Amino acid sequence: QKEVEQNSGPLSVPEGAIASLNCTYSDRGSQSFFWYRQYSGKSPELIMSIYSNGDKEDGRFTAQLNKASQYVSLLIRDSQPSDSATHLCAVNTGGGSNYKLTFGKGTLLTVNP
Amino acid sequence: SQTIHQWPATLVQPVGSPLSLECTVEGTSNPNLYWYRQAAGRGLQLLFYSVGIGQISSEVPQNLSASRPQDRQFILSSKKLLLSDSGFYLCAWSRTGGSEQFFGPGTRLTVL
Repeated sequence: QKEVEQNSGPLSVPEGAIASLNCTYSDRGSQSFFWYRQYSGKSPELIMSIYSNGDKEDGRFTAQLNKASQYVSLLIRDSQPSDSATHLCAVNTGGGSNYKLTFGKGTLLTVNP
Repeated sequence: SQTIHQWPATLVQPVGSPLSLECTVEGTSNPNLYWYRQAAGRGLQLLFYSVGIGQISSEVPQNLSASRPQDRQFILSSKKLLLSDSGFYLCAWSRTGGSEQFFGPGTRLTVL
């Protein structure tokens, strides 16, 4: 069974600090990787996509992918209270034209003012 | 721009009653469509996905069914709800050939 594992947290960081969220996956053939943010009671919101090994930066967010280690991470710089949410890692486990995603259970991030 | 709608936003239903949840997407053609369920304390579970009208793939055997009567409309149904059907139901879409999925606002279903 294809699995995506995340530390459930909670991860607590002070405002302005760097938050580091980690995810491992079991399907070595996975090609696409995503981070979603989900506020309590709301639907997930896509914040980062990464497809190649290395780092991808977008504003305060950096996604890091290491396919050899089957590891993907999300760094949030200058953390803000508005970043307080559950962050979901998702991995494409489909094939052909059917892009099925497998989600981790999420890591709850709390940013303290 | 693309938008995705789901209704109703919340629903309370008795055990054994039928269910119909609707999802529509605007601003795109021939999207891939997905139904997920998120139960309390659990991760997102893919229930169904569709790559075109009338084409439905089921991921988990259960008492739910899905239909896609129009290109941008996706419906989740049940003839008789179980207590275990309670959860947060999310519809998502992606472009044909695209892997990024975008979620609707969700329907919170409570079965009593």
